[in-house]
Amino acid sequence: EAQVTQNPRYLITVTGKKLTVTCSQNMNHEYMSWYRQDPGLGLRQIYYSMNVEVTDKGDVPEGYKVSRKEKRNFPLILESPSPNQTSLYFCASSSGGQETQYFGPGTRLLVL
Amino acid sequence: GEDVEQSLFLSVREGDSSVINCTYTDSSSTYLYWYKQEPGAGLQLLTYIFSNMDMKQDQRLTVLLNKKDKHLSLRIADTQTGDSAIYFCAESYSGGYQKVTFGIGTKLQVIP
Repeated sequence: EAQVTQNPRYLITVTGKKLTVTCSQNMNHEYMSWYRQDPGLGLRQIYYSMNVEVTDKGDVPEGYKVSRKEKRNFPLILESPSPNQTSLYFCASSSGGQETQYFGPGTRLLVL
Repeated sequence: GEDVEQSLFLSVREGDSSVINCTYTDSSSTYLYWYKQEPGAGLQLLTYIFSNMDMKQDQRLTVLLNKKDKHLSLRIADTQTGDSAIYFCAESYSGGYQKVTFGIGTKLQVIP
């Protein structure tokens, strides 16, 4: 079954404690992205990747890092989380062009 | 920068048509998308339109694009209770999801 998986689905942490949200896709897609969804702000793109070792900033990259060492994985790293990073995070992948972008189920993060 | 605007809320009666509107600012947008998000779920691509098209129809869905006014609309014919969700308009220059800008989403409520 084609899917994008994210882990964990829910996470409560404290300010400054490094965390990683994993994202994996089994469709051999080149393109992967991370978004955050906040009430009244919709979805905003954090980072995207066009292929292994190729990443670029989206609209709101501050406070986040990503890596793309393998095609299937695109982890999102928060080196020093802050309360303003409390949000719902979505990973997505696509083969590009007009093909659909598949979204993961979301990770709800609360930073205290 | 790019901006995509949508109204926040729309309420319709079951069986009526729904029209969700969106305006965007980036005249270089190549692909325009409509996504649906059901409660607690990720986003699902409903349909997309290239900027060189005026209209696209897919079963109950009709997308109209007025490129001059940078206005995009999604019409859902014979709206059903299962259509209740948040609908996001999005635009991309490349179509490869390298850089996607989403609107804040329109919550559609279908009254039985």
